[in-house]
Amino acid sequence: QVQLQESGPGLVKPSQTLSLTCTVSGGSIRSGSYFWSWIRQPAGKGLEWIGRIYTSGSTNFSPSLKSRVTISLDTSKNRFSLKLSSVTAADTAVYYCTRSAILQRRFDDWGQGTLVTVSS
Amino acid sequence: QSALTQPASVSGFTGQSITISCTGSSGDFGSYNYVSWYQQHPGKAPKLMIYDVSNRPSGVSNRFSGSKSGNTASLTISGLQADDEADYYCSSYTGTSAFYVFGTGTTVTVL
Repeated sequence: QVQLQESGPGLVKPSQTLSLTCTVSGGSIRSGSYFWSWIRQPAGKGLEWIGRIYTSGSTNFSPSLKSRVTISLDTSKNRFSLKLSSVTAADTAVYYCTRSAILQRRFDDWGQGTLVTVSS
Repeated sequence: QSALTQPASVSGFTGQSITISCTGSSGDFGSYNYVSWYQQHPGKAPKLMIYDVSNRPSGVSNRFSGSKSGNTASLTISGLQADDEADYYCSSYTGTSAFYVFGTGTTVTVL
């Protein structure tokens, strides 16, 4: 059974870049059968899709975050990453990484989430 | 892209049935039936409960069912149990540059 684990700094200063990694175990990130997404959730609020990456390296992003987001794959370490630049307090949230079956439009497997706080 | 609209809270007694609505515009749902529902217990990650409007993943109880009519999708939980107490979010693939939109979330309370 696949497991996803987010990791990264829990505190980021305003205007800096948030960097998170999702390490995948129990499955290969090189499998063309899946795509990989990041989703976030501010405390007490709803979910927001950030973006996704396919095994090919092709990406899609939320229009509201597109200018600040980078998602990449590291197949040698079986993980994928999120970078969000020029962060503000509004980017404070729990960040989840997910796996979805290719050609499907649902989020099948989720990491446990990691809290990132933007504060000086 | 605005969030899909869900009632903030829904409650029911053990054993009863409840329905959670998820309303959007035609642009939110597109011409697709890509509505999914997620259950989230406090402090936990969301869990997929329904996909493609009415399909259940393996291992999800058949007490959970989904439907869609026009611009409103619905999740029904029958035979309500204490463990069903959680937040529930709908989600739709829009087929536009927004890609995915989530609902505002509904807190289910089991009385």
